[in-house]
Amino acid sequence: GAGVSQSPRYKVAKRGQDVALRCDPISGHVSLFWYQQALGQGPEFLTYFQNEAQLDKSGLPSDRFFAERPEGSVSTLKIQRTQQEDSAVYLCASSLAGQANGYTFGSGTRLTVV
Amino acid sequence: AQSVSQHNHHVILSEAASLELGCNYSYGGTVNLFWYVQYPGQHLQLLLKYFSGDPLVKGIKGFEAEFIKSKFSFNLRKPSVQWSDTAEYFCAVRGSGTYKYIFGTGTRLKVLA
Repeated sequence: GAGVSQSPRYKVAKRGQDVALRCDPISGHVSLFWYQQALGQGPEFLTYFQNEAQLDKSGLPSDRFFAERPEGSVSTLKIQRTQQEDSAVYLCASSLAGQANGYTFGSGTRLTVV
Repeated sequence: AQSVSQHNHHVILSEAASLELGCNYSYGGTVNLFWYVQYPGQHLQLLLKYFSGDPLVKGIKGFEAEFIKSKFSFNLRKPSVQWSDTAEYFCAVRGSGTYKYIFGTGTRLKVLA
């Protein structure tokens, strides 16, 4: 597609439930990023993939967060045993290789944990 | 610590007024600087970016920003805003040669028709 696609757009989860958030990057984009945006805050880095390799996961807030990109295209962010503090918008972005390129962001998934 | 500060959290202007949104950053080393805009219900979009060269950068929709290295600032300006500029604006910094953005907390701009 023309842009970065994320699904679902909205997710309500009960505390303790596992969730999976999907990101379809722009075709041919090597780099893929996940960011977390809490209410009233700017996006914060979670993790970075180059093709299928997860090169940086330093921003994942706990071991309940797990991301994968097994074939170097679609990525899934999984959150196990969700907590209320996980409520946020989860943004995916992709870019071509090389530092001169900015990201293209998806519209995000708004996760609400009740 | 690496950080980005946007001092104006909410700004309300009338159409045709001039706009300046402040952005200051703290980062050791050479940086790339960005402004992103998020219109209601839409995704973050790149307005403009600075990598090197002329510190006055022109972006889309009549926006510009000036990098002042001595002040660690990258303020966004527009001489005459329109109702359609109503959006949230985010300043971001990235270390040159790195991939990780550090975003500010955003400024919500409302333009009254």
